[in-house]
Amino acid sequence: AQSVTQLGSHVSVSEGALVLLRCNYSSSVPPYLFWYVQYPNQGLQLLLKYTTGATLVKGINGFEAEFKKSETSFHLTKPSAHMSDAAEYFCAVRTDTGRRALTFGSGTRLQVQP
Amino acid sequence: ETGVTQSPTHLIKTRGQQVTLRCSSQSGHNTVSWYQQALGQGPQFIFQYYREEENGRGNFPPRFSGLQFPNYSSELNVNALELDDSALYLCASSQGLAGSSNTGELFFGEGSRLTVL
Repeated sequence: AQSVTQLGSHVSVSEGALVLLRCNYSSSVPPYLFWYVQYPNQGLQLLLKYTTGATLVKGINGFEAEFKKSETSFHLTKPSAHMSDAAEYFCAVRTDTGRRALTFGSGTRLQVQP
Repeated sequence: ETGVTQSPTHLIKTRGQQVTLRCSSQSGHNTVSWYQQALGQGPQFIFQYYREEENGRGNFPPRFSGLQFPNYSSELNVNALELDDSALYLCASSQGLAGSSNTGELFFGEGSRLTVL
């Protein structure tokens, strides 16, 4: 069975600072990995995904993530935070075996201070 | 292109009642998944429907049931509501089975927020 751990339920950064949201996963088979963002009172929007190939993945709004198999990590980064980045971020994993569903982490709320 | 739409957006029920939530999938998508998101938690998989049949289920009791219609829209039914059923219920659509060549990208609706008193 797969699982996802997001370290830090709340992260606060200053506008213009580096954003780093941590995600570690557990999977017995090669995973597909995702980051979703959720703005208040809205559904989830896909930021980026890793399936196969290049381990550094670029997404929307300037975000990127790097798949590190040896560390079982898929941390999300953005060089310079904007006020509009304030939201809840979820890391998720899926495998081709077992249930055909995404397993989500518990989320990290990002606050951006002016 | 029409996105995923859900109804109602908010509703309040009392313990023991039954509720039906509805979802219209994104145009061209034939797979619908339902997730429960409790306050402060990540979404949890309830079940998935593909071509009108249940195609995978999470750790939810049988009082959570669903349907998918020929136009790929879907319903989530919950019987004998309990206080812990209070949550945001998210519908997500995709094209094809998540276990196929499809990479599993899901397109989410804005959810139905259920409060059980």
